[in-house]
Amino acid sequence: DAKTTQPNSMESNEEEPVHLPCNHSTISGTDYIHWYRQLPSQGPEYVIHGLTSNVNNRMASLAIAEDRKSSTLILHRATLRDAAVYYCILRDTSGSRLTFGEGTQLTVNP
Amino acid sequence: DTEVTQTPKHLVMGMTNKKSLKCEQHMGHRAMYWYKQKAKKPPELMFVYSYEKLSINESVPSRFSPECPNSSLLNLHLHALQPEDSALYLCASSPFPTNQPQHFGDGTRLSIL
Repeated sequence: DAKTTQPNSMESNEEEPVHLPCNHSTISGTDYIHWYRQLPSQGPEYVIHGLTSNVNNRMASLAIAEDRKSSTLILHRATLRDAAVYYCILRDTSGSRLTFGEGTQLTVNP
Repeated sequence: DTEVTQTPKHLVMGMTNKKSLKCEQHMGHRAMYWYKQKAKKPPELMFVYSYEKLSINESVPSRFSPECPNSSLLNLHLHALQPEDSALYLCASSPFPTNQPQHFGDGTRLSIL
């Protein structure tokens, strides 16, 4: 699986937008970009995924660069419950593996 | 609330004990997974079951023995574990064993004495 690079940690204030970056310069044409998050004392939780176009769902938005070498997970209004480790993962179309990197620890300040 | 249920939530066992971890899902998913997560590290894939058959074993030591009795149930049998096997063991499922979101349980926290 191609490698992703994320900042170790980020901070945000409650009710403000959060932009979590991910670099994946070796992404291949068949790799989807997946995001998961893991809240304290819980298993990982699927957030969103996309291939080329920007994606929105009830949890977040995913903005994908035109060359696909980077992406950004956007939380539109951070809440205290969004404090978690966020993982950006590349996954091949046919792949059953999820290979987690170190992720970004997001802290949300009240 | 998680749709993947893991039991027990906590387990303490000695190195000579035999125990099993259980994972259950009733979403009709045909792929199930075991992951191991050490403290402050990301989850690492151990096994993948696809349509009740083992499809991936990530070179896991034989003291870990997975079993998939039916499409809803996944077990992980433990025997002669080492202290370094202490970790959070996570189970996940997905509709099919390809590029589909995985649903995770909250894990079993295992401590080896």
